[in-house]
Amino acid sequence: EPEVTQTPSHQVTQMGQEVILRCVPISNHLYFYWYRQILGQKVEFLVSFYNNEISEKSEIFDDQFSVERPDGSNFTLKIRSTKLEDSAMYFCASSGAHRGSTEAFFGQGTRLTVV
Amino acid sequence: RKEVEQDPGPFNVPEGATVAFNCTYSNSASQSFFWYRQDCRKEPKLLMSVYSSGNEDGRFTAQLNRASQYISLLIRDSKLSDSATYLCVVNWYSSASKIIFGSGTRLSIRP
Repeated sequence: EPEVTQTPSHQVTQMGQEVILRCVPISNHLYFYWYRQILGQKVEFLVSFYNNEISEKSEIFDDQFSVERPDGSNFTLKIRSTKLEDSAMYFCASSGAHRGSTEAFFGQGTRLTVV
Repeated sequence: RKEVEQDPGPFNVPEGATVAFNCTYSNSASQSFFWYRQDCRKEPKLLMSVYSSGNEDGRFTAQLNRASQYISLLIRDSKLSDSATYLCVVNWYSSASKIIFGSGTRLSIRP
């Protein structure tokens, strides 16, 4: 069964450092997403990406964040200068082999710990 | 008003009980609706889509009321393995696709 894969599963970084979280979405999907979940809190939308550009982003997704689909298979989330409050689980998701197919499938997440 | 609102629970019910969760959404342009399940420290997993006519999958029944902007999930004959957080999820797309999660309702089934 096709699945979304994320690497690494756990990333520890020092405050102020840049991190790149990587995702390989399901291959025929068209929409890609990043979400984050702070421990014990809700799943929060960060950004959606379609047709090689950001289609929607939340207030959380400020200038410190960027996304890229560099090679047609990987989908990355970069945090330029991490803060303690960026510590969370980051989930990548993909959906939409066609626009009527909208359920999203999630990767297993990357747990980011900023120290 | 929150985009997607759920009762956070927790719901603590005995095995075999029937339990219902409700969810309201604020954007009337919302197009697709889902229930996801999330186990502790795991990724959300699709439980079922919610269709306008209502739909059933085994012990699970989902209903949608577009006029009231409300969806529900009913679990019959609950099992210990149903213990999880249930996430109401709404997708709307015009020129973009945005999938928004409710805060989740925690369910705990006791023997």
